[in-house]
Amino acid sequence: EVAMTQSPGTLSVSPGETATLSCRASQSIGRSLAWYQQRPGQAPRLLIYGASTRATDIPARFSGSGSGTEFTLTITSLQSEDFAVYYCQQSYDWPPYTFGQGTRLDI
Amino acid sequence: QVKIVESGGDVVQTGPPLTLSCTASGLVFSSFGFHWVRQTPAKGLEWLAFLSFDGKSAYVAESMKGRFSISRDNSKSTVYLQMSGLRPEDTGVYHCAKRSVVRGKDFDDWGQGTRVTVSS
Repeated sequence: EVAMTQSPGTLSVSPGETATLSCRASQSIGRSLAWYQQRPGQAPRLLIYGASTRATDIPARFSGSGSGTEFTLTITSLQSEDFAVYYCQQSYDWPPYTFGQGTRLDI
Repeated sequence: QVKIVESGGDVVQTGPPLTLSCTASGLVFSSFGFHWVRQTPAKGLEWLAFLSFDGKSAYVAESMKGRFSISRDNSKSTVYLQMSGLRPEDTGVYHCAKRSVVRGKDFDDWGQGTRVTVSS
């Protein structure tokens, strides 16, 4: 089973600034990595798949990068609605699909 | 617009079976596979099961095998998660998620979830 580890657990950033979130896989997963955003009381929403492809209607300020075992989600010009919990997920070796434990992005 | 709605969550005691339902609209239901994912404070997001568009390929998380199973009724645009032998650690919010036909978009659209609480 591929374990996904996200860091940091919580990230405090000011509106307008840039947030950088990390995700590490316990073995190489190529580019089979997705990122999700979950706002309080809402379902997770797909942001990025294939490590760097934005999903439908996702703003360009969200970008993903990385391959192998190290991945990054970068959010520029942070807006109030971006403060949420972010999860990474691998689909290289399934079952099972595995998720990271999440990074909380706080103001 | 795709809409996914889960139902069937309840407060239950350990033991009795429970079936969750996931109904999807705004899509050709029979063209898509679906997952069940649960969310708990202890484990975060945990994948439980997947069923292919035609119901012929089913996968269940190893730790749930023997207790959880997944099925679907395309005529009702509904996917089910049958759970038995429920334990307090099964308490959480159970989400249904659609798998896109695009490679890598495995959890494309999600429902809000249905809450299951298991008490001893």
